[in-house]
Formats: sequence, C-alpha cells, structure tokens
Amino acid sequence: TQLLEQSPQFLSIQEGENLTVYCNSSSVFSSLQWYRQEPGEGPVLLVTVVTGGEVKKLKRLTFQFGDARKDSSLHITAAQPGDTGLYLCADRTDKLIFGTGTRLQVFP
Amino acid sequence: DAMVIQNPRYQVTQFGKPVTLSCSQTLNHNVMYWYQQKSSQAPKLLFHYYDKDFNNEADTPDNFQSRRPNTSFCFLDIRSPGLGDAAMYLCATSRDYRGVSYEQYFGPGTRLTVT
Repeated sequence: TQLLEQSPQFLSIQEGENLTVYCNSSSVFSSLQWYRQEPGEGPVLLVTVVTGGEVKKLKRLTFQFGDARKDSSLHITAAQPGDTGLYLCADRTDKLIFGTGTRLQVFP
Repeated sequence: DAMVIQNPRYQVTQFGKPVTLSCSQTLNHNVMYWYQQKSSQAPKLLFHYYDKDFNNEADTPDNFQSRRPNTSFCFLDIRSPGLGDAAMYLCATSRDYRGVSYEQYFGPGTRLTVT
C-alpha cells in the first residue's frame, strides 16, 4: 500500500514569509496532484505534475516534482492570509490517494 | 455556478439512526465519488460509481451504502451511524479515470455529527 507522507504537519507563519512543504511517497507516483482545502470546504486542485524534474508555477506557488518521481515540494513566496488551509498531495492512479496533509495558518 | 452540490452542509443524527447524505452535479460527469474525512486527516475514498457501475473500496464498512439513481445524483446511506462515523463527507466527480479528463471536482462537504 502506497504511503504519502507530508511535512511539516502544521505550519504557522506571519504574512510575507516564505515556506516550503514536502510530500514523499513510498513508491513512484503515477502523477502527482496538489490540492488546497479551505476550512469547511472541499479540496480544490492546484496543479498536476507528471514528468520527473518538472517545475510548475502558479502565481506565488512553485511546485517541484523530484527526478525519481517519489517526492515533491510546494513553495509559497510571500504568504498571505488567503493561503491558509490544508495542503494535500495526492497520487492520481485510477483513484486519488491522498497524503497526510500540511495545515498552514498565515497570520496578518 | 455551483458544480457539485452537497446537502445538507451540516447533519446531526443519533447513534444508530439511519442517515442519508445527498450529492448532485451539474457537470454531467461519468464518475462520482464519496470520501470520508475525519478531523485533521486526509480524505479517504469509500466508493465510487462509473456511470451505474458501483466500486467499493475493500476497507469500507458494510454500514456504508450508496445509490446513484441517475447521472446527476448520488446518495450516501449510513445504516447505523456510530460515534466513529462523525466526519466530513465529501462528494467528488470526474469525467473519466484517465488523462486530462481525470480532474476531480469536490463539493463543499457535509459535516456529520453523531450524538
């Protein structure tokens, strides 16, 4: 059974700071997705990465997929309170297998 | 503009009293999923439908059932809720399983409380 570990589990920072969260898999990803889930809402897809070494940018968010396709990172530049939420990585096979999640709180 | 709608948003039920959660979609997607998300945990897939074909996850308790009467609607039935079934229940849809069609769209969830 594939295990997706995310770190850190919790992160509490001030507005304007930079941060990186990590996702590590016990096996090679089929394709990797990152989701953000705001309190009381369902997850929303941020990005899909498929190729090892791939880097994608979404405004202040930078997603990197490891060369061996077993790990990924999400870097947020100049965090804002609107970035607050649960960040989930997921392996997209014939279903989604979610990681353990990183709960981010950004204070004004 | 709502694409995946879940009703109710909050549901309180008594221990052992059957409860039904509802999901509807305006996307005309083939696949509908039900996830359980307990506090501070990742969503866990319970089952899904591809059109009318039902696919149960191996570790989903028998207490959980589902119905999909048509493309737009899917229901989650909990026959005898226990305290451990208190969670957020998320419905999601996707056009298909593979390729670019495989983005899942999630509803806002129904938070179930069992008293």
